[in-house]
Amino acid sequence: GENVEQHPSTLSVQEGDSAVIKCTYSDSASNYFPWYKQELGKRPQLIIDIRSNVGEKKDQRIAVTLNKTAKHFSLHITETQPEDSAVYFCALLSGGGADGLTFGKGTHLIIQP
Amino acid sequence: EAGVAQSPRYKIIEKRQSVAFWCNPISGHATLYWYQQILGQGPKLLIQFQNNGVVDDSQLPKDRFSAERLKGVDSTLKIQPAKLEDSAVYLCASSLGGGRTEAFFGQGTRLTVV
Repeated sequence: GENVEQHPSTLSVQEGDSAVIKCTYSDSASNYFPWYKQELGKRPQLIIDIRSNVGEKKDQRIAVTLNKTAKHFSLHITETQPEDSAVYFCALLSGGGADGLTFGKGTHLIIQP
Repeated sequence: EAGVAQSPRYKIIEKRQSVAFWCNPISGHATLYWYQQILGQGPKLLIQFQNNGVVDDSQLPKDRFSAERLKGVDSTLKIQPAKLEDSAVYLCASSLGGGRTEAFFGQGTRLTVV
């Protein structure tokens, strides 16, 4: 199946700074790229998504960029706050018939006060 | 809106025993997924249902795992017999119309096999 590589596995930033998490993939038919946030012991929740016909999408402090040629997409969080501390997962939907998401291994984001 | 309900929240069993998990998706959601999340990893799709039919079960270990979705609503996932490596959180998710719409996750069932 499709693989998605996510980096870094852990990211520590000072409160107020920006955080960037990157994912790369191999299947050029992939066409839907969501990002999920999972706090400790809780369910994954969708925070932003992007489709293959769009290069960038923003929602307040969160943005996602997609480079289909290079096959990578990134999550950008600006003005980080303590409540941003969590594990973030990128995911993608391949262009094949099945609709289940393939997830990256996750990035543990730590916001230092 | 009510979320995806799962039970039990926690389960501890000995290896070779059997276990079943239950999921009630959001009302009206035709698509239901079961994911396995091993500690420190991202969720891995086990099986996807569209109404009560299986769309994808390519990653389901069918020698020990089974799932059903009767009447296109609730679903159960069973493991028989369990192995130590089955220890994980089992997440159920549902969506309105397949992967291109938002998938809502339940709280999950944390399974420990000893």
